[in-house]
Amino acid sequence: AQSVTQLGSHVSVSEGALVLLRCNYSSSVPPYLFWYVQYPNQGLQLLLKYTSAATLVKGINGFEAEFKKSETSFHLTKPSAHMSDAAEYFCALGYFGNEKLTFGTGTRLTIIP
Amino acid sequence: DSGVTQTPKHLITATGQRVTLRCSPRSGDLSVYWYQQSLDQGLQFLIQYYNGEERAKGNILERFSAQQFPDLHSELNLSSLELGDSALYFCASSVAPTASGANVLTFGAGSRLTVL
Repeated sequence: AQSVTQLGSHVSVSEGALVLLRCNYSSSVPPYLFWYVQYPNQGLQLLLKYTSAATLVKGINGFEAEFKKSETSFHLTKPSAHMSDAAEYFCALGYFGNEKLTFGTGTRLTIIP
Repeated sequence: DSGVTQTPKHLITATGQRVTLRCSPRSGDLSVYWYQQSLDQGLQFLIQYYNGEERAKGNILERFSAQQFPDLHSELNLSSLELGDSALYFCASSVAPTASGANVLTFGAGSRLTVL
């Protein structure tokens, strides 16, 4: 079965500090991996996606993620946190021929002024 | 605005009642997905429709049903409601399964259901 594990349900970082949100996956077939962000009272918005091209993927708002097959990981990073980054972040897994996504449990990111 | 429209935004009802949630997909998208987001279960996939036909089914209760109409809008029907059905219900849409980017889901703002 395919699954996604997000380590840390809550992460706090200071404004200007590095943001690192962890995601590990389990999949018996080559995965497609996604990061979505959810701001309060809003739907999910796509940050970035990996669909078997370049392993380092750049997304919106300065975020990027690296697919590491050997570590079955797809961690999300941003060099310098901004107050507007405070939100909930979801890692998701899909694969070719199966369009639905399996989501992790989410990580709530808090930015400390 | 993502282009995916969900109504109503908020709904309060009583146990045992039935409600219908509506979703209009983004223009050009043929697939519609329903997800349930609750505090204890996270984001759970319920069901997917493609061009009017059911394509994939997840953890959808028998009390719940959905359909996609010829104009591609979709409705999720929840009946015999229980307290535990209180959640945020998201609709998402994507392009046809054979098209590039089929796994990229665009989400609506959600319908928040409260069962009292």
